[in-house]
Amino acid sequence: AQSVTQPDIHITVSEGASLELRCNYSYGATPYLFWYVQSPGQGLQLLLKYFSGDTLVQGIKGFEAEFKRSQSSFNLRKPSVHWSDAAEYFCAVGAVAGANNLFFGTGTRLTVIP
Amino acid sequence: EADIYQTPRYLVIGTGKKITLECSQTMGHDKMYWYQQDPGMELHLIHYSYGVNSTEKGDLSSESTVSRIRTEHFPLTLESARPSHTSQYLCASSDARLAGGGDTQYFGPGTRLTVL
Repeated sequence: AQSVTQPDIHITVSEGASLELRCNYSYGATPYLFWYVQSPGQGLQLLLKYFSGDTLVQGIKGFEAEFKRSQSSFNLRKPSVHWSDAAEYFCAVGAVAGANNLFFGTGTRLTVIP
Repeated sequence: EADIYQTPRYLVIGTGKKITLECSQTMGHDKMYWYQQDPGMELHLIHYSYGVNSTEKGDLSSESTVSRIRTEHFPLTLESARPSHTSQYLCASSDARLAGGGDTQYFGPGTRLTVL
């Protein structure tokens, strides 16, 4: 069965610093991987996704993520964090097309300090 | 940009009341989903639909029911609300016909339900 682990519940970074949010997944085949961001009181916004091909994917708002099959990881990165990036970040894994749903991690809350 | 709407955004209601959470999307997506989200927890799928007249239960057992009479509309109903139903409910939709496969799901803003 699919599962996602986000080991960091809460991360605090200074504005302008680099960011890496960790995500490990469990899935028997090549997964579809997603990162979503949720601001307080809002729904989830898709940041980026990996289906196949280049293992480094670019997303919106300057985010990128790298798929590493050997480590079953899909970590999210940003070279310079902005105060507006403060939010909850969710990693998710989906099966091949036609599957029912996504399996989400418990999320990582990002705090950005001036 | 996805266009998926949920109403109401916030609802406070007494125990035993019947409620319906609305979800609509204007993208013509076949698939729609309802997730339940509690603070500090992952999202759990409670219902999904592959299209009109199709509804299925998700991984998390829920006392709610859904219907899919029109492609764009996927309401969720609780016949008798209880405090244990207090949660955030997120609706999503996806179009599996898009090139490249996979189900990229687009989410609505959510309904935060409080049952007193």
